[in-house]
Amino acid sequence: SQQGEEDPQALSIQEGENATMNCSYKTSINNLQWYRQNSGRGLVHLILIRSNEREKHSGRLRVTLDTSKKSSSLLITASRAADTASYFCATAPLGFTGGGNKLTFGTGTQLKVEL
Amino acid sequence: DTAVSQTPKYLVTQMGNDKSIKCEQNLGHDTMYWYKQDSKKFLKIMFSYNNKELIINETVPNRFSPKSPDKAHLNLHINSLELGDSAVYFCASTSGGTGANVLTFGAGSRLTVL
Repeated sequence: SQQGEEDPQALSIQEGENATMNCSYKTSINNLQWYRQNSGRGLVHLILIRSNEREKHSGRLRVTLDTSKKSSSLLITASRAADTASYFCATAPLGFTGGGNKLTFGTGTQLKVEL
Repeated sequence: DTAVSQTPKYLVTQMGNDKSIKCEQNLGHDTMYWYKQDSKKFLKIMFSYNNKELIINETVPNRFSPKSPDKAHLNLHINSLELGDSAVYFCASTSGGTGANVLTFGAGSRLTVL
């Protein structure tokens, strides 16, 4: 079953503005990750936040995690046209021992940054 | 050098045919995956292999058969293709063990069944 729900489904902003995307999930997690997908391309990993972390930064990206609410947000500051893409959250379940990971992806937010 | 490469990138075929998609990674990763992305961009895990051993099989119809000849390759064979199999199929890989692994994805193989 689908683990992550993201909102908004689509977001359109002007270059220079900040973009915030939210992700909610259902079960206990080991970590939560965010990925970007440009049109017609594969997904690219952006940032990982562990279940015992509340906030993480990477360049213009800021991720928060609230495990009590089972939610995360991704903030992109000072957006650029090149940030136009779909953004997905993905959760890694607690207790998975099969080797590697078992990421379950959210529904994605389509971000459009206009000049 | 492409880290995770899939072939073919595009595949158009008739219902009932059998087709294969190949995936290779040169990252030295232990675990490889197949994900399916539908027309609404929903991404669903299908299979994972760790060191050639099947780890995840997410109730995929048995018309789909993955094969991992070695840990750098994971192929997907689909028998008796149906219209609903039309999607983009992504291969991915990760290093093993800790659970805090990130995935490296291929560029995708777009399958269209007519």
